[in-house]
Amino acid sequence: EAQVTQNPRYLITVTGKKLTVTCSQNMNHEYMSWYRQDPGLGLRQIYYSMNVEVTDKGDVPEGYKVSRKEKRNFPLILESPSPNQTSLYFCASQLAGGRETQYFGPGTRLLVL
Amino acid sequence: AQTVTQSQPEMSVQEAETVTLSCTYDTSESDYYLFWYKQPPSRQMILVIRQEAYKQQNATENRFSVNFQKAAKSFSLKISDSQLGDAAMYFCAYRSAHSNYQLIWGAGTKLIIKP
Repeated sequence: EAQVTQNPRYLITVTGKKLTVTCSQNMNHEYMSWYRQDPGLGLRQIYYSMNVEVTDKGDVPEGYKVSRKEKRNFPLILESPSPNQTSLYFCASQLAGGRETQYFGPGTRLLVL
Repeated sequence: AQTVTQSQPEMSVQEAETVTLSCTYDTSESDYYLFWYKQPPSRQMILVIRQEAYKQQNATENRFSVNFQKAAKSFSLKISDSQLGDAAMYFCAYRSAHSNYQLIWGAGTKLIIKP
C-alpha cells in the first residue's frame, strides 16, 4: 500500500530533550516536506526537500533541523524543544512536477512541557 | 507572498442539504493549483478536490464541486446531499505551478452536520 508513515504518532516530552520524528514514504517520491498545524493558523511549512541531500527552509524553520540521506526518509529533529513547538506535525511527499498530488502522513501530536 | 483566507470558522448544515464553504486567495501568478482538503477527527489530511487555474471548467468529485472564479480569486466548495461523514475541518490550499510545491493553507472551516 502506497503511504507516508510517521513515528511516533503521539509524544510528550520536556523542554530541552532532543527528539526526532521520523517520516518515511514508499512511493519513490522526490519531494518531501514537513508542516506544522496550529489552531486558527492552518498548516505552515517548516522544511522541505526536493531530493536526496537537497533541503531548504520553509516559512517557520526556527528550532528544527532535517536531513535527507535516503530518498524514502525525511526525519524532523528538534534539538532543544520548547513549549511553543507543541503542535500537530505532518509529513508530506509527492513526485516531482507541479501537477502531482501531495500525500500526507497521519500526523504526529507533540506536547512539550 | 501568496495568502489564503477562509472567512468562515464554522458552518453547520442539515443532513441531506447543500452547503458552500468559502475561500479567497491572493496571488500575482497566473499558473497555480487550488485544493480542498478534509480533516476528520482522525486528523488525517484527505484530498477532496483540486482545480488547475488554467482550466475554466469547475472541478467536480461526486457530491463535491467547486466554484472557481479566477478574476475574483475565489474558490468555494459546494457539498451536496450532506452526510454525517462529511463532518470535519475543511482546508483550502494554494500551490504555485512554479515554486517548490509548497502548499499555502487557509485557517480552516469546521463543518457540522445536523442529523
